[in-house]
Amino acid sequence: EDKVVQSPLSLVVHEGDTVTLNCSYEVTNFRSLLWYKQEKKAPTFLFMLTSSGIEKKSGRLSSILDKKELFSILNITATQTGDSAIYLCAAPHDMRFGAGTRLTVKP
Amino acid sequence: NAGVTQTPKFQVLKTGQSMTLQCAQDMNHEYMSWYRQDPGMGLRLIHYSVGAGITDQGEVPNGYNVSRSTTEDFPLRLLSAAPSQTSVYFCASRTGGDTEAFFGQGTRLTVV
Repeated sequence: EDKVVQSPLSLVVHEGDTVTLNCSYEVTNFRSLLWYKQEKKAPTFLFMLTSSGIEKKSGRLSSILDKKELFSILNITATQTGDSAIYLCAAPHDMRFGAGTRLTVKP
Repeated sequence: NAGVTQTPKFQVLKTGQSMTLQCAQDMNHEYMSWYRQDPGMGLRLIHYSVGAGITDQGEVPNGYNVSRSTTEDFPLRLLSAAPSQTSVYFCASRTGGDTEAFFGQGTRLTVV
């Protein structure tokens, strides 16, 4: 059965810290991995990764995929309180999500 | 563009009642999915569809039915509501198997 596993499940940091969120997967016919951010309402799209070793970047957020070791990381540098959210990854064969990482950034 | 529209936004049911959560998209997306999200948790896949007339079970399908008679609509039916089905329900759609999913704004369901 396909699996998407995120770690840690919860993380508390202070503003200015750098965080790394992990997503590992075992997915039949893997083709891409997606990252989403969810605050109070529906998830919003961050990145789609299809190729190993190619970093996707948006401001202080970046993400990379390792198709050999079957994982992806999401990095957030210089965290701000507005980064507090649940971060979700999905491998869109059937669009199954991992359990998410709840990030709390304290002032 | 309306995108993905879910109705209702809020619903309270009594145990044993049935109801249908509506989801409609106007982007001509082939793939649609239903999720539930419990407090502090991630999204769990209930059912999904890869096209009109085709549906499949996700991780937590028990107690829910779906149908996909048109590309636009993907209703989720609760057959006999239970308190364990109290959750926020999200519908999503996407073009194909490898593309970004677009989400509706969610339905908050409480079963008492």
